[in-house]
Amino acid sequence: DADVTQTPRNRITKTGKRIMLECSQTKGHDRMYWYRQDPGLGLQLIYYSFDVKDINKGEISDGYSVSRQAQAKFSLSLESAIPNQTALYFCATSDFPRTGNNEQFFGPGTRLTVL
Amino acid sequence: KQEVTQIPAALSVPEGENLVLNCSFTDSAIYNLQWFRQDPGKGLTSLLLIQSSQREQTSGRLNASLDKSSGRSTLYIAASQPGDSATYLCAVRLSDGANSKLTFGKGITLSVRP
Repeated sequence: DADVTQTPRNRITKTGKRIMLECSQTKGHDRMYWYRQDPGLGLQLIYYSFDVKDINKGEISDGYSVSRQAQAKFSLSLESAIPNQTALYFCATSDFPRTGNNEQFFGPGTRLTVL
Repeated sequence: KQEVTQIPAALSVPEGENLVLNCSFTDSAIYNLQWFRQDPGKGLTSLLLIQSSQREQTSGRLNASLDKSSGRSTLYIAASQPGDSATYLCAVRLSDGANSKLTFGKGITLSVRP
C-alpha cells in the first residue's frame, strides 16, 4: 500500500466551484506539504504544515486554503476554482526532525482541470 | 533568489549507455540537494539526497555528486535501461536549514531506446 495517498486522482470541475483535495499518509510523519506542478514551471509550494493545527503559506497560496486536523491528513481547498488553477497537485511528507535531512516523500498526484 | 536549472530539457539515448544528468543552482549556500524521478502522470520518487557536507551518494546504478562551490550536481546512470525512461528532477534546500523550502528544477525527460 502506498505511504502517501491522494484523492481524487483526477477531477474536472467548473469555474467558481469549491474543490477539496485530500492527502493521507501512513508514514507517521509530522510535516506535510502541498505543491502544484505546471508544465514548464516545475513544482511550486502552496502550503505546508509542521504539525497538527500548524499552517504556513508557501510561494503561491493565494486562492487556496488548507486544513490539518490530524497528523495523517492534510487537505487543500480551492474556494472558488478558476481555470489557471488547472494543474497537477502533489502532497508530500517529511520525517524532520526525527531525521536531520528533511527528505520529502510524494504522493501520486491529483490532476485537476478547471473549465 | 535560488534558481535551479536542468539542461537539456529532454534527452534520448540507446539502451546500455552510461549517462549524466546535470543540475545547476545559483546560490551555493545549500543545506542539501535531492534527486527525484517522475513517471508520466505519477508522483515523485526520491532517488538520492546529498547533504551539503557530502560529495556523492550512490544507490544501485545511480550516483549523484555535489559540487557546492560551482553550484552543480550530476546524476550518473550506469548501463541505462528502457525502464529508466522518466523525468528526473533535482531540488535544493537553502542553508537556512532543514526548515527551508525545496526549490525545484524543471526536470530532464529521459528516453532510453531499446
